[in-house]
Amino acid sequence: KAGVTQTPRYLIKTRGQQVTLSCSPISGHRSVSWYQQTPGQGLQFLFEYFSETQRNKGNFPGRFSGRQFSNSRSEMNVSTLELGDSALYLCASSFGDNSPLHFGNGTRLTVT
Amino acid sequence: QKEVEQDPGPLSVPEGAIVSLNCTYSNSAFQYFMWYRQYSRKGPELLMYTYSSGNKEDGRFTAQVDKSSKYISLFIRDSQPSDSATYLCAIYTGGFKTIFGAGTRLFVKA
Repeated sequence: KAGVTQTPRYLIKTRGQQVTLSCSPISGHRSVSWYQQTPGQGLQFLFEYFSETQRNKGNFPGRFSGRQFSNSRSEMNVSTLELGDSALYLCASSFGDNSPLHFGNGTRLTVT
Repeated sequence: QKEVEQDPGPLSVPEGAIVSLNCTYSNSAFQYFMWYRQYSRKGPELLMYTYSSGNKEDGRFTAQVDKSSKYISLFIRDSQPSDSATYLCAIYTGGFKTIFGAGTRLFVKA
C-alpha cells in the first residue's frame, strides 16, 4: 500500500512570494492534516480536512490556507512568504476521528 | 503550561541498554496516545498507538500510559544503533487535532 506522498520534496522561495504544497493521502484515508516542523517549535498543527471540509485550524496567520479535493488529495498554500516560514511542512492522513496519523516525508521550504 | 511536555534530550545509551522515554500531559480527558519515530530528513513513523491506561507491547517496544499521573512512556529493550532517531509522543486531543511533544533525540552507541 502506498504511503503518504508529498511534492515537491524541496523548495526555495524568496520573501513575498507564494507557494503551494501538495499531498496525496493513503488510499482510503479521508482525513488530511498539515503540520509545520521547526527546530524551535517542534510540530505545530496547521489544519485538518475531512471530505473537503476544514474541521480545525491551528494558530497560524491567514497567509496559511489549505483545501482538500473530492479524491482526498490536499494542498496547502502560503502567501507573502516570510523568512520565518522556513520549515519542514508535513502532511498526514488517517481514516478519521481517533485514528492515528500517518505522515509523508514532508516538503522542506526555505525562504530567502 | 504546555498540553504535552517532553524532554528533548539528547539521550545517549550503549547498545543493548533499555531505553525509557517519557512525556507528561495536562488534560486528564485525553485518551488516545501515540509514539512516533523520526529519522533525519524523514517524516514521523507511527510506532505505537494506545487507548486509555495500561501497557501495549510490540516486539522490543512497550508503551505505557498512566492516566492517574498523566504520564506516558515508551520503553525500548535491547536497543540497537538503528534505533538512533528522534522519538515523539503524541496525543489526540479531540476536535480533529493531534498534538506532539518536542521529541527526544536518542543516540545508541555500538
